[in-house]
Amino acid sequence: GAVVSQHPSRVICKSGTSVKIECRSLDFQATTMFWYRQFPKQSLMLMATSNEGSKATYEQGVEKDKFLINHASLTLSTLTVTSAHPEDSSFYICSARDRDGTYEQYFGPGTRLTVT
Amino acid sequence: GENVEQHPSTLSVQEGDSAVIKCTYSDSASNYFPWYKQELGKRPQLIIDIRSNVGEKKDQRIAVTLNKTAKHFSLHITETQPEDSAVYFCAASRGTAGNKLTFGGGTRVLVKP
Repeated sequence: GAVVSQHPSRVICKSGTSVKIECRSLDFQATTMFWYRQFPKQSLMLMATSNEGSKATYEQGVEKDKFLINHASLTLSTLTVTSAHPEDSSFYICSARDRDGTYEQYFGPGTRLTVT
Repeated sequence: GENVEQHPSTLSVQEGDSAVIKCTYSDSASNYFPWYKQELGKRPQLIIDIRSNVGEKKDQRIAVTLNKTAKHFSLHITETQPEDSAVYFCAASRGTAGNKLTFGGGTRVLVKP
């Protein structure tokens, strides 16, 4: 149990276009989901906390107009990278916390974004 | 906000030896401390976690110790095996509804056969 999926697993897009990444909790309901970015050989950096039915909370330094987050249901959150640039190329990972569970967060498999 | 420091950044051990990774945190309200193992290009996998009401927790070859007074916690891996080679991250959170995790910088562990 406690499976989180992400789609797509990897995407290549041209500079200036937008890309949407989906994060789904497959067998549990998640009132809270988290989006992280991980550059090569670096740690996970929290970008934003996504709460079902409300606006996301962004970490300091993360542009909310560039990284649009929507958490429309208890099992789905989306991250849209708008007007992508090569410096946005990274590994994006989501996680979710079971509404009825413990403190543990369950991580998705990640999405490798390459902007050319 | 919370700040988590992790040391060492790289660790090379001989197979069968022990590996120890240490983390310190700054937020005295943090009460949940998970450890993750991440292989290249994969998701972080929870290997063990500890809450602040416990000083030590063990699961087979892996153990975690927590010193709340000093605000540091450590991961101990005994009898290391080549498959233990990976990047390990510590993290801390307040464990509230938001449960935001702050990660340490990571430790790249190499177990030499």
